[in-house]
Amino acid sequence: GENVEQHPSTLSVQEGDSAVIKCTYSDSASNYFPWYKQELGKRPQLIIDIRSNVGEKKDQRIAVTLNKTAKHFSLHITETQPEDSAVYFCAASRGTLTFGKGTMLLVSP
Amino acid sequence: KAGVTQTPRYLIKTRGQQVTLSCSPISGHRSVSWYQQTPGQGLQFLFEYFSETQRNKGNFPGRFSGRQFSNSRSEMNVSTLELGDSALYLCASSLSGTGGSDTQYFGPGTRLTVL
Repeated sequence: GENVEQHPSTLSVQEGDSAVIKCTYSDSASNYFPWYKQELGKRPQLIIDIRSNVGEKKDQRIAVTLNKTAKHFSLHITETQPEDSAVYFCAASRGTLTFGKGTMLLVSP
Repeated sequence: KAGVTQTPRYLIKTRGQQVTLSCSPISGHRSVSWYQQTPGQGLQFLFEYFSETQRNKGNFPGRFSGRQFSNSRSEMNVSTLELGDSALYLCASSLSGTGGSDTQYFGPGTRLTVL
């Protein structure tokens, strides 16, 4: 089955810096790659997603890139703010979602 | 539209008991997936239901089961509870029949504690 590796497990940045989270997947048939943000005690919320026919997608301060050949995708957050502090999960799907283990992002003021 | 709802939000059970969790999807959504979230294993897929049929199943023992009703509401059942079943159980709904390739919206989860 699909296996998703996510790095780093924790990431600390200063407010205003950029943050990058990377994921690799094993199943070349996976065609959908969402990213979820989960604040403490809350439900995961979709922040951006990308499909395999697209290499990059951007939504304000958040962007995702996909390299199908290398089977990796990344989340980029620019101009980080303290409210960006949360756990971020990547996932890959060819029918069911397989999640990475998560990255705890801490943005210090 | 109202979001995905789950009941109960918290549950405490003892080993050997069984438990039933409920999930109401967003109106119009026909697919419901269930996940187990633990600190050690992260988010793991349990199963997905679409139009009252189990379409996909994760790698969990048969003690974990589910069903979906004609109004798309879903329940999951865990029998003979073990300490390791303590977790946050999340359900997610999506609009159409493309399974995990369709945007999934999560409920708040049910926190199950097994003593």
